[in-house]
Amino acid sequence: NAGVTQTPKFQVLKTGQSMTLQCAQDMNHEYMSWYRQDPGMGLRLIHYSVGAGITDQGEVPNGYNVSRSTTEDFPLRLLSAAPSQTSVYFCASSYSSSSGRDNEQFFGPGTRLTVL
Amino acid sequence: LAKTTQPISMDSYEGQEVNITCSHNNIATNDYITWYQQFPSQGPRFIIQGYKTKVTNEVASLFIPADRKSSTLSLPRVSLSDTAVYYCLVGRPFSGYSTLTFGKGTMLLVSP
Repeated sequence: NAGVTQTPKFQVLKTGQSMTLQCAQDMNHEYMSWYRQDPGMGLRLIHYSVGAGITDQGEVPNGYNVSRSTTEDFPLRLLSAAPSQTSVYFCASSYSSSSGRDNEQFFGPGTRLTVL
Repeated sequence: LAKTTQPISMDSYEGQEVNITCSHNNIATNDYITWYQQFPSQGPRFIIQGYKTKVTNEVASLFIPADRKSSTLSLPRVSLSDTAVYYCLVGRPFSGYSTLTFGKGTMLLVSP
């Protein structure tokens, strides 16, 4: 299994540009989420999904959109990039709560985004 | 949301046992306690999870007292490769009423 994969690894954008960060998992996990991590800080939840077709907002959703059309993929879209969105973005997946293992999240390697 | 408090940093030497304590005074009845490890430039990695008493796996032990207002992650005989940030989380992710919150964590530095 490849686990959780994220592309690209690095990205530089100009203010106002849009882009999509890709996330895929091959573990058949129902739950997927996006976090951002700023220097010296913990991770903050942006959006999450508990299954295909179901998404919800986390702690810092403004400026980001998500969709979940398949179990495997959970892309994060930046609508109009701003310097405040410069961060490292992590995607994670986990089993559903019915499995009792929803606390065990598997994280991808991250995408380092710089917005100029 | 159950707030957690843990030391910002800790220092240790190779071969020692390290105990990192996390306080979570307002933990809810349904909340679990989960610990993650994060190396620089990598995503966090799940270490251990518990609800009460003691849990042990091949990597660490987790001690939770009866009142569950704190927990202690114990790393036996640490090595240089255990240098990382350790996060204590309390809650149930995506439960509808709360989501897991990563604080700033504890930076553990293991020296030779």
